[in-house]
Amino acid sequence: EDQVTQSPEALRLQEGESSSLNCSYTVSGLRGLFWYRQDPGKGPEFLFTLYSAGEEKEKERLKATLTKKESFLHITAPKPEDSATYLCAVQAFNTDKLIFGTGTRLQVFP
Amino acid sequence: GAGVSQSPSNKVTEKGKDVELRCDPISGHTALYWYRQSLGQGLEFLIYFQGNSAPDKSGLPSDRFSAERTGGSVSTLTIQRTQQEDSAVYLCASSLEVAGARQYFGPGTRLTVT
Repeated sequence: EDQVTQSPEALRLQEGESSSLNCSYTVSGLRGLFWYRQDPGKGPEFLFTLYSAGEEKEKERLKATLTKKESFLHITAPKPEDSATYLCAVQAFNTDKLIFGTGTRLQVFP
Repeated sequence: GAGVSQSPSNKVTEKGKDVELRCDPISGHTALYWYRQSLGQGLEFLIYFQGNSAPDKSGLPSDRFSAERTGGSVSTLTIQRTQQEDSAVYLCASSLEVAGARQYFGPGTRLTVT
């Protein structure tokens, strides 16, 4: 069964304190791994798609990496506006749906 | 341009009543998805449309749930005889019909069954 596990469930950081969020997955043939950001009361906002092991993508203070079993979302020198829930999802080759993890709730304090 | 829109944004209903949730996808997006997000849980897939047909209904939790899409655009998710466990945020997403395409999400409809 396709499955996504995210850790930690919650993360509190001081502004400027870099860290990483983990997304472990099992899937019957990975078509893509997706990272989304979700603010309270809003729908998920797309961040990145990674397609193959070794791939990396960056956007401002965020960098996503992918191996055959997990993905990391690295946050460098976070700011309070980076506070949100970060969701990881996988899409298998034989389907179009996304399988989501339960997310990591990030809080960045000034 | 306009994103995915959903209505209503909030819906409070009594147990046993039927509800309809609406999704307007991004213009030109042929693929449309419904997900459900319950408190403390991840997004749960419900159903996927390609055009007006639904090749994957595997996530619908019971026969009280149904969905349709007309004109390759607007979709309606209907829940009959609502139960308290149906309380959740219902999210709609749309995408181009391309393998691995990103899904654009709407703001969701928060359903509360009392």
